[in-house]
Amino acid sequence: EVQLVESGGGLVQPGRSLRLSCAGSGFTFDDYAMHWVRQAPGKGLEWVAGINWNSGVTAYAVSVSGRFTISRDNAKNSLDLQMNSLRTDDTALYYCAKDAVLDFSNNYPFFDSWGQGTLVTVSS
Amino acid sequence: QSVLTQPPSVSAAPGQKVTISCSGGSSNIGSNYVSWYQQLPGTAPKLLIYDNYKRPSGIPDRFSGSKSGTSATLHIIGLQTGDEADYYCGTWDYSLSAWVFGGGTKVTVL
Repeated sequence: EVQLVESGGGLVQPGRSLRLSCAGSGFTFDDYAMHWVRQAPGKGLEWVAGINWNSGVTAYAVSVSGRFTISRDNAKNSLDLQMNSLRTDDTALYYCAKDAVLDFSNNYPFFDSWGQGTLVTVSS
Repeated sequence: QSVLTQPPSVSAAPGQKVTISCSGGSSNIGSNYVSWYQQLPGTAPKLLIYDNYKRPSGIPDRFSGSKSGTSATLHIIGLQTGDEADYYCGTWDYSLSAWVFGGGTKVTVL
């Protein structure tokens, strides 16, 4: 059974940094691209960033480009999201999502498994 | 403002059917597969439909998807109270080099 467990969320002041992690199990981690998707309180889903199987391709939403960095460690079956210069509108539940493909830039991606999310609150 | 447009809400009585539209453009729906996600209250999203119409194992055939041009549609027949949820369409956008979601549609069973 695929399991994705996020961690690292919490309360942080505007302008500060936070690093989220996602531990994957139950599947061959380096066979799939991975993504972060967030959901602000009472709002819809917003894709944040994606990384292909070997970290050769990364992509970001315009709203986080230049501030967030997605990375993965296939040896540890882990996915990270480094979030810098946080703003109040980054407040959201952050989900780790497994892609169904190796490389989303050359295939037709979709998210076939999701974690339960980790809450990030940016407030002074 | 989402790149993909969905109606904010739809409703119907138990046993009836609902359709949820997802409208996009040539750089997203028009040139890629669409997937749909169901988010029950207080839970993480779950894959409902992928590659426009395919269902993952365990998803009942009451749920179906279709695509035509730059629009996609999710169909739910035999509506049940347990279907009350938010539904999101999504696809890759080649112009943006980003994944895009619709704004979500809340399904209410009357």
